[in-house]
Amino acid sequence: GNSVTQMEGPVTLSEEAFLTINCTYTATGYPSLFWYVQYPGEGLQLLLKATKADDKGSNKGFEATYRKETTSFHLEKGSVQVSDSAVYFCALSLMNRDDKIIFGKGTRLHILP
Amino acid sequence: EPEVTQTPSHQVTQMGQEVILRCVPISNHLYFYWYRQILGQKVEFLVSFYNNEISEKSEIFDDQFSVERPDGSNFTLKIRSTKLEDSAMYFCASSGREFSSYEQYFGPGTRLTVT
Repeated sequence: GNSVTQMEGPVTLSEEAFLTINCTYTATGYPSLFWYVQYPGEGLQLLLKATKADDKGSNKGFEATYRKETTSFHLEKGSVQVSDSAVYFCALSLMNRDDKIIFGKGTRLHILP
Repeated sequence: EPEVTQTPSHQVTQMGQEVILRCVPISNHLYFYWYRQILGQKVEFLVSFYNNEISEKSEIFDDQFSVERPDGSNFTLKIRSTKLEDSAMYFCASSGREFSSYEQYFGPGTRLTVT
């Protein structure tokens, strides 16, 4: 089946630290990959996406590269800010008729000032 | 920028009651979805809807659930007889299925509390 596995949180870092949140996937087809962010009390926002192998998605200083050989889509940011504190969800979609989004369990990130 | 809206933001209901959660998708979108997130858990797909019929539903979406697009703008999720375990955040999403982007745009969610 199709699934997403991401590192468990919470992850606590100091401001300006380097962030990595690991994500791996299993898919029967060729998925598109996403990172969604959920700020406290808010809904889901698409942070970045990649639709084919070796694509790099980027937004707000966050990056993730679609690695087909390792079935991974790790989220990285060089210098985190307190405002990045949120829950981050890795997700995939097969982008065909069966196009539901399959989410990972989410990783809560706390950034300390 | 167009956005998906949902009402109410929070709904409290008693077990056994019917609830209707409302969503207004982005106006030129054709595909509509409901997801739910039980507190502290992952977001789960419930149902997708296209051309006035269900495209796919998960095993969570049993006979107690139904969806409807009653007019040209609203998309509703009805739970006929709520159970305690239906307490969750419910997210609506819509997609235009543009050629290079199948991005689903999510609403802010409705928190349903069943007591």
